[in-house]
Amino acid sequence: AQTVTQSQPEMSVQEAETVTLSCTYDTSENNYYLFWYKQPPSRQMILVIRQEAYKQQNATENRFSVNFQKAAKSFSLKISDSQLGDTAMYFCAFMKHVHSGAGSYQLTFGKGTKLSVIP
Amino acid sequence: DGGITQSPKYLFRKEGQNVTLSCEQNLNHDAMYWYRQDPGQGLRLIYYSQIVNDFQKGDIAEGYSVSREKKESFPLTVTSAQKNPTAFYLCASRHTGGVSTEAFFGQGTRLTVV
Repeated sequence: AQTVTQSQPEMSVQEAETVTLSCTYDTSENNYYLFWYKQPPSRQMILVIRQEAYKQQNATENRFSVNFQKAAKSFSLKISDSQLGDTAMYFCAFMKHVHSGAGSYQLTFGKGTKLSVIP
Repeated sequence: DGGITQSPKYLFRKEGQNVTLSCEQNLNHDAMYWYRQDPGQGLRLIYYSQIVNDFQKGDIAEGYSVSREKKESFPLTVTSAQKNPTAFYLCASRHTGGVSTEAFFGQGTRLTVV
């Protein structure tokens, strides 16, 4: 079974500063997909950014970017110019194709990092 | 509006009773997922389904059951065999046309067993 590890249970950052959240995963697969989700206090899960493993270029979405190191099985999230609205739980997620039954994609999450942006 | 609806938002049950959590989506997604969220545990996969009338166990399926009789519905039953059912439950769905498409989530159901 694949596992997703987020080694930082909690982090804080000053408003307008940059912060990096870590994520490592364990898999023997070559084709898979990685995501970062945000869960604010409302508990609604929101997609932040995605990365296909076959793409070497790191994904970027406005202030959010990733550092994808396939050989190291690392997928960190960098938030630039942090804003108060970035305060949330952040979950790293791994998706791979499961070769059974009708064929499906299993989506596994890490335990999350609680990020606090300080004014 | 398109989306995923979980109901109810809060649910209270007595110990020993089965309870069913509803998840409905009108996004025409094929795949649906159920997760359990506990403090410090992240999201743990209970069951998932790729197509109607087919579903697979996730990492913590014991004490739970599901059905997928319709594409838009994926109800989760928490049975009396689940030893610690009090938790926040999240349902998700995704389109399977593109392999990297993300999952969309409902707003969750907070189940409390007393």
